[in-house]
Order: sequence, then structure tokens, then C-alpha cells
Amino acid sequence: EAGVAQSPRYKIIEKRQSVAFWCNPISGHATLYWYQQILGQGPKLLIQFQNNGVVDDSQLPKDRFSAERLKGVDSTLKIQPAKLEDSAVYLCASSLAGAGSGGYTFGSGTRLTVV
Amino acid sequence: SQQGEEDPQALSIQEGENATMNCSYKTSINNLQWYRQNSGRGLVHLILIRSNEREKHSGRLRVTLDTSKKSSSLLITASRAADTASYFCATDVATGNQFYFGTGTSLTVIP
Repeated sequence: EAGVAQSPRYKIIEKRQSVAFWCNPISGHATLYWYQQILGQGPKLLIQFQNNGVVDDSQLPKDRFSAERLKGVDSTLKIQPAKLEDSAVYLCASSLAGAGSGGYTFGSGTRLTVV
Repeated sequence: SQQGEEDPQALSIQEGENATMNCSYKTSINNLQWYRQNSGRGLVHLILIRSNEREKHSGRLRVTLDTSKKSSSLLITASRAADTASYFCATDVATGNQFYFGTGTSLTVIP
């Protein structure tokens, strides 16, 4: 079974620039999550999709962050404009029907550095 | 905060010893999970324990859950250098579809 694919692995941008991350979940996984993990901290949930609908985006800074899930499969997370404090690893995870059934499968993440 | 808190923040042991890390949380949960994260990599799901379970085993891992104390522990027996990683607990506080991660325990196993 292929894992959760994320790209790019690394990205360096200047503040106020825009950036986009891509995630391809495990085939058949209805639920997709984006997490932000700042160095030395645990992952923080940004947004949760069920198929192509948003279930929870309460912690997503909507003035600069946006996300969509195309046709209930791939997802993109965008930051526009980026701030220095957005430097973090952005993790995508998917699960069959909610994490209570057996946990998430995480991608390797995209490490974003904003300079 | 809904996040769990792991203790200790960092742990260093010799290969072959047992490693114990603890997680405390604030609200009632449905499930609790433990994840491992190697440096620069994504998280790997280790084990899930439901609120009506008290103990669970998986290979060299043993997880306990005490809902009255709102705490969980992860025991890794006969540690190996490859166990060096950060370990996170994740608590489900609502519907079972979202987990909130703690701050993690950094484990170093010295060969």
C-alpha cells in the first residue's frame, strides 16, 4: 500500500511570498488532515476534510491560509502571504473513517523556512 | 489547551534498558494514541488504546491508561538504538475524528 505522498519536501521563501503544499492521501481514505508542527512542539491540527468537505478548520489562520481537497482525493494547502512564524513542518495525514478506527497515516511532511 | 503533555521532555538510556514516558491530558477522551517521529520524518502510529481499556501490548510496547487520573504511559522494553525518536501522545476529546498531540518526549537510546 502506498503511503501518504507530500511535496515538496523542502521549501524556502521570503516573508510575504506565497507557497503551496500538495498531499495525496492513501487511496480510499476519506478523511484528510493538515497539521503544522513547529520545531520542538507537537503537531497542531489546521484543517480536517471528510471527502471534499471541511469538517474542522477552527485553527486555520484564514486570513493567510487556505486549503482545498480536489474531488475528495488530493489536497493543497496555501499560505499567502507567509510570515516568519509560519516556518514549520506541514504534515498531511489520512485515515479511513476517522482516527478512532486505528490511527492516522502521516506523510513525511514539507519543511517550510520563511526568511 | 486540549493537548496532552508528555513527561519527561527528554530521556536518555542505555541500550537494553526500559524506557517509560508519560502523558497527561485535561479532558475526557474516547481514545488515546501514541506516535513515534524520527528526526525530520513524519509520524508513525504505534498503538491506540480506547477509554474502556486499561492496558494494551504490541511487541515491545506496553501502554496503560488511567482515565481517573487522565494519564497514560508508554513503556518500551529492551530498548534499541533504533528506538531513538520523539514520542507523542494524541488524545481524542470529541468525536473520535480529531486528535490533539502533546509536546512529545525525546528519547535517546545509547548503543
